[in-house]
Amino acid sequence: DAGVTQSPTHLIKTRGQQVTLRCSPKSGHDTVSWYQQALGQGPQFIFQYYEEEERQRGNFPDRFSGHQFPNYSSELNVNALLLGDSALYLCASSGGASGGIPYNEQFFGPGTRLTVL
Amino acid sequence: QKEVEQNSGPLSVPEGAIASLNCTYSDRGSQSFFWYRQYSGKSPELIMSIYSNGDKEDGRFTAQLNKASQYVSLLIRDSQPSDSATYLCAATALYSSASKIIFGSGTRLSIRP
Repeated sequence: DAGVTQSPTHLIKTRGQQVTLRCSPKSGHDTVSWYQQALGQGPQFIFQYYEEEERQRGNFPDRFSGHQFPNYSSELNVNALLLGDSALYLCASSGGASGGIPYNEQFFGPGTRLTVL
Repeated sequence: QKEVEQNSGPLSVPEGAIASLNCTYSDRGSQSFFWYRQYSGKSPELIMSIYSNGDKEDGRFTAQLNKASQYVSLLIRDSQPSDSATYLCAATALYSSASKIIFGSGTRLSIRP
């Protein structure tokens, strides 16, 4: 049973550039949520995708955008990168009919470490 | 005001003892609660979820929920060095998958031999 996968593992960008991060959800899951985790902090909710639409959004600027594809995989795009965007970006999947497991349990991928110079 | 609060620690517990981790939340509409374990440099791993008042046990882990006091705790019995990690408490308002999870900042737990 494949878990949540993310790519790339690490990424180094410079200020002003744009970045795209990718996520494939756990088998059977249809909902993808993205989080940003700064060092020493808990994950902060960016947004959530379901049925190819953004269903909820946290307090992040419009520079952060996303997409979900028909196969439930998702992308996170960040434009005009700032130094403060350096963080671990986490994708979590949930949902689907998983044999009694509550739909709202979220399982994280390994994350993408983004460094902005 | 943070929505989910945890003591950042570090909490140092001798091997074999019980580690007690605590969390409070401010949103009375919160319905579901989670404990995640995060090793340094790794992503969070779900270890417990709890939805009803009372205790829920899974192996060496026991989650406790008191909605009246807006309090969640995690007990780890027979603590092992491999339990040394940051433990994240999280809450959400919904039972469905349409739920953004609010995380605390985490408590660092250190199990000393």
